[in-house]
Amino acid sequence: AQTVTQSQPEMSVQEAETVTLSCTYDTSESDYYLFWYKQPPSRQMILVIRQEAYKQQNATENRFSVNFQKAAKSFSLKISDSQLGDAAMYFCAYNRYRDDKIIFGKGTRLHILP
Amino acid sequence: DAGVIQSPRHEVTEMGQEVTLRCKPISGHNSLFWYRQTMMRGLELLIYFNNNVPIDDSGMPEDRFSAKMPNASFSTLKIQPSEPRDSAVYFCASSPDRGKETQYFGPGTRLLVL
Repeated sequence: AQTVTQSQPEMSVQEAETVTLSCTYDTSESDYYLFWYKQPPSRQMILVIRQEAYKQQNATENRFSVNFQKAAKSFSLKISDSQLGDAAMYFCAYNRYRDDKIIFGKGTRLHILP
Repeated sequence: DAGVIQSPRHEVTEMGQEVTLRCKPISGHNSLFWYRQTMMRGLELLIYFNNNVPIDDSGMPEDRFSAKMPNASFSTLKIQPSEPRDSAVYFCASSPDRGKETQYFGPGTRLLVL
């Protein structure tokens, strides 16, 4: 069975600094998708970034980028120039190709220190 | 686009009462998902539909929970009778199609059963 592990329940970073959130997953599949979702205090789940496993190039969305290591089954999220609005719970998620289900990790709560 | 719409946003009810949560997916999306989020269990997939047909309801806790999707633009999740342990945030999400597509989440319904 596929699993997603986020080993850091909480992290803190100084405003304007860079922070990296870790995620590992377990799968025997070769085709799949990985996501990072953000959940701010409003509770809304917001897609931050998505990576297709067949792509070697790491996905980037403005200040957010990932380090996708397929062989190591690692998918970390880097937030550059952290802003107060980045404070949220971040969920790493896995979706097997052609499967509807998304498997979520337990989340990492990120605090931004002014 | 208005995004996924859920109602009510907050619901407080007494144990034993029937609760109905509603969801309107993004127009044109073929898949709809119901999730439950609690501190203890994290984000759990309860059930999902594709083209209005329930595909997998293995996450539904027990017979007190039921979900319907009478048409492409409306779904309900019903709890009857409700119990205090059902208190959680319930999310509805939709995606354009099966498999590789990103899921877009609604704002959630915060349910409190007294």
